[in-house]
Parts: sequence; C-alpha cells; structure tokens
Amino acid sequence: QKEVEQNSGPLSVPEGAIASLNCTYSDRGSQSFFWYRQYSGKSPELIMSIYSNGDKEDGRFTAQLNKASQYVSLLIRDSQPSDSATYLCAVETSGSRLTFGEGTQLTVNP
Amino acid sequence: GAGVSQSPSNKVTEKGKDVELRCDPISGHTALYWYRQSLGQGLEFLIYFQGNSAPDKSGLPSDRFSAERTGGSVSTLTIQRTQQEDSAVYLCASSFSGGAEGANVLTFGAGSRLTVL
Repeated sequence: QKEVEQNSGPLSVPEGAIASLNCTYSDRGSQSFFWYRQYSGKSPELIMSIYSNGDKEDGRFTAQLNKASQYVSLLIRDSQPSDSATYLCAVETSGSRLTFGEGTQLTVNP
Repeated sequence: GAGVSQSPSNKVTEKGKDVELRCDPISGHTALYWYRQSLGQGLEFLIYFQGNSAPDKSGLPSDRFSAERTGGSVSTLTIQRTQQEDSAVYLCASSFSGGAEGANVLTFGAGSRLTVL
C-alpha cells in the first residue's frame, strides 16, 4: 500500500461546477496535511493546510480531514479554467517527512 | 533570500558524468527537502535535512546519489556516474520547523531540469 494515494485522474468538470479531489494515507500518526497545486512546467505551490478533523475553508477551496478514516479531501467550488492543474496531496509521515501522492490532473472546461 | 533558489535551472550531461545541483533555501528555514519529478509523475522523496543533519536519507535511489548541507543553509545534491534514468526535474523545498501552525509548509524552488544523454 502506498503511503499517500489520490483518486486517479484525469478529472474533468465544467466551469462553475464543484471539483472533488480525494486522498487517503496509511500512517495513522500523521498530523499535518497539505494540498498543493502544480501548473504544467511549474513548481508546486501551497493551496491549503489542515491539521484538525473537520472542514477548513479558504475562499472557493475547502479542505476536509477525517483522521479516523485516514482521508483528506479538497473541494473547489465554482471551478474556473484557471484552476486547471495537477493537485498534489501531501502528508507529514514519520520523522517529519512530507510524502506526496501521485497527483490528480484537473481540467475545468469553459 | 526571498525564495528558494536552485541552480542550474537546466543541465544537459553525458551518461557517466557527475553533476552537482545546488539549493539555497529561504533564510531562517531549518528544514530542507529534495524531491525528484519525472515527466508526468508525482514527487519522489529523496532526502530531508533538519539543520545540517539528514534524519531521513531513505529516498536516495542508489549510492550514486548523495547530498550535504553546510551551515544550515545551502545544500548540494550530487549524482555520480549519471544514467539516462536520472533525467528528471530535481526540486528543492524548505520550511521552518516547530509546533506553530505554518511549520512544515514547503516553499519550492523552480527546480533543476537534468537531462542525461
């Protein structure tokens, strides 16, 4: 089992729709969780961090964490073409190492 | 510096040659990470530094790969006797550590693209 797994893509949604990105992790001791966005040919950039169970909202983005289920998700409301990118889930695993999932490629169609 | 600086941005080398990739993290960031990203793939963890020590070297793919960090700042990733499968973008990232929220949030450099012919 991979340490961090993301739902396989690519994911395509129409403009204005909600995009839902999912991630599961194997280390029950993980405490810090992150979503990064990576545009083609660019480096990853942080979108959201979440540390406690529940929802965390920032503008059109909502991160959801459920430690019991070892599950973290990212919702993008009112998706825009500019949201088209690869979204990477990152989990702080043992020894403070940040492990990334393979990423989910999102395309928002105008 | 204002951001994470990596050099060279592009490196083309012949199979069998050694290469050095450099990372200058954000001033004050104690943690420094190296990742590798092959075309269309996710980020592969290589090594993590806390200060000058490397508590986790488990991601280095072979003994041809080594990394050091001096003065708690600049890090160098060295690949000896490069192979074609080493071709990838090598990303460096840094963060501050501790219990405060925001710790362990990585800021990435622009990457060093390595092509081994």
